[in-house]
Amino acid sequence: GNSVTQMEGPVTLSEEAFLTINCTYTATGYPSLFWYVQYPGEGLQLLLKATKADDKGSNKGFEATYRKETTSFHLEKGSVQVSDSAVYFCALSARTGANSKLTFGEGITLSVRP
Amino acid sequence: DTAVSQTPKYLVTQMGNDKSIKCEQNLGHDTMYWYKQDSKKFLKIMFSYNNKELIINETVPNRFSPKSPDKAHLNLHINSLELGDSAVYFCASSPNPAGSYNSPLHFGNGTRLTVT
Repeated sequence: GNSVTQMEGPVTLSEEAFLTINCTYTATGYPSLFWYVQYPGEGLQLLLKATKADDKGSNKGFEATYRKETTSFHLEKGSVQVSDSAVYFCALSARTGANSKLTFGEGITLSVRP
Repeated sequence: DTAVSQTPKYLVTQMGNDKSIKCEQNLGHDTMYWYKQDSKKFLKIMFSYNNKELIINETVPNRFSPKSPDKAHLNLHINSLELGDSAVYFCASSPNPAGSYNSPLHFGNGTRLTVT
């Protein structure tokens, strides 16, 4: 079956530090890949996505590249801010007939200190 | 206007009780979902409905019964609540059943259920 594995957390960084959150996946076929973010007390919201190999998703200074050869979709940001403190989920979506199902990784909590 | 709204935000109840969580979306989407998030933040899909019809039913105890009176609403009823049901339950919607493949899910802010 499909699965997503994220690096273990939590992660604590100082403001303006470089961020990398690792994500690898296992899937049949050609899934779409996503990063979702959950701010405290809120639901998840899409951060970025990539739908085919070598695509780069980007938003709010975050980037991730769909690497089929390493089955990875690592999230990076050059300079984090306190407001980036949240839980980050890597996810994949694979089509099954007319339907699709989103499979999430375990989530990783990022805390950014001033 | 809130796109996906859930009520209540918090629900504290005793073991053995029956409770419901309501969800409404005003996005005009055809497909709605229920997800469960445990204490370690792990998210797992429970159900998905498309235009009032059940299309995804994961391995969930039959004490959980979703109901979709129309495509804008998906409610979750839980019978005989157990301690292990304590979690945050998220409702979500997408334009169609393949929505998560091509477009993002829109999540509500969650309902924190505590069973004592």
